[in-house]
Amino acid sequence: SQKIEQNSEALNIQEGKTATLTCNYTNYSPAYLQWYRQDPGRGPVFLLLIRENEKEKRKERLKVTFDTTLKQSLFHITASQPADSATYLCALDEVSGTYKYIFGTGTRLKVLA
Amino acid sequence: DAGVIQSPRHEVTEMGQEVTLRCKPISGHNSLFWYRQTMMRGLELLIYFNNNVPIDDSGMPEDRFSAKMPNASFSTLKIQPSEPRDSAVYFCASSFGGRAFGELFFGEGSRLTVL
Repeated sequence: SQKIEQNSEALNIQEGKTATLTCNYTNYSPAYLQWYRQDPGRGPVFLLLIRENEKEKRKERLKVTFDTTLKQSLFHITASQPADSATYLCALDEVSGTYKYIFGTGTRLKVLA
Repeated sequence: DAGVIQSPRHEVTEMGQEVTLRCKPISGHNSLFWYRQTMMRGLELLIYFNNNVPIDDSGMPEDRFSAKMPNASFSTLKIQPSEPRDSAVYFCASSFGGRAFGELFFGEGSRLTVL
């Protein structure tokens, strides 16, 4: 069956360190993968999109990698700050001819001051 | 731009009652999505529209759920009759440009509690 897995355990890291979040998927062949940030009581906010033919994408302190062989995406936040504390969701499209993004359950990140 | 606007933000109702959730997408966006979020199942896609036409409703749980998009600036998600297991946060999102451009703009959600 199709599955998107993100670490359900919360990730606690020290301020200034690099946070690395993982998104693994099975039985999908996505052409696009996205990462979103969600704060408590708010809707998800788009961060980055990466295409299947791109290995890496960067935006300020954020970096995303996409390995279609491993069926995995890694999301990095460098020089993390307490303000980066949130839940991070990955989403990928089903290659089914329709525009349909499926979300993982998210990983909660807490950056400790 | 005001962003995606959802109403109500909170709704508490009793089992068996009809619930209507409303969404105003961002002006100019041509795709609209309804998602449901729970702790157990995460963010689930219920239905999405493109140019006001329902494209995929395979995520709609059952016949008690229905969604409409009568025009480009308004959509509703209706649950009739509601059940306690429908309790969740319902998000509306809109987008422009198709899957290649991807970015979904979410509203703040409607938190539904069915007693």
